[in-house]
Amino acid sequence: QVQLVQSGAEVKKPGASVKVSCKTSGYTFTGQYIHWVRQAPGQGLEWMGWINPNSGATHSARKFQGRVTLTRDTSISTAYMELSGLRSDDTAIYYCARDSPIIAIKGFDFWGQGTLVTVSS
Amino acid sequence: EIVLTQSPGTLSLSPGERATLSCRASQIFNSNWLTWYQQKPGQAPRLLIYGASSRATGVPDRFSGSASGTDFTLTISRLEPEDFAVYYCQQYGVSLTFGGGTKVEIK
Repeated sequence: QVQLVQSGAEVKKPGASVKVSCKTSGYTFTGQYIHWVRQAPGQGLEWMGWINPNSGATHSARKFQGRVTLTRDTSISTAYMELSGLRSDDTAIYYCARDSPIIAIKGFDFWGQGTLVTVSS
Repeated sequence: EIVLTQSPGTLSLSPGERATLSCRASQIFNSNWLTWYQQKPGQAPRLLIYGASSRATGVPDRFSGSASGTDFTLTISRLEPEDFAVYYCQQYGVSLTFGGGTKVEIK
């Protein structure tokens, strides 16, 4: 069965960086894009970007360009999201999510469990 | 960037009632790119409706979606206790965006 398992909660100081991992299983990792979405406490969903695990190509939302780095390690079917220059308003749950392999479905069919990143001095 | 505006912010209804959720886009786009998700507290979102009106596998038929120009609607015909949650619309363009969400709460 398809699973996306994320790394554990992090506490970081302002200005630091955080790297969250998303280990996938149950499907061909290089076959589907992985997206990253965050959710601040009590707030809505915010799309951050995607990575093509096959080619390594990435695209991020304008808001995060220059601060987010999306990478992958195909040998262990894992995607990574690194966010630098952390601020208090980066405190959020960060999710990875898989693009549906069904062409008609423009959306995310499987999600990680989420990783809480807390930014606090 | 396409902005999606969801309304109302909160919908207070009783089980058995009909829920109508709106998602309005700032510009027209291919309705095949419109997806609805359901999120319950402490859980990741779940894909409900894709292509504006097609139910994902396992989604009950009390959920339906429709589109008209820049207006998209999610309807829950008769609310069940497990339907009380937050619902988000999403457009899957080059730069993907989510709406702000509608919380469906028990009245």
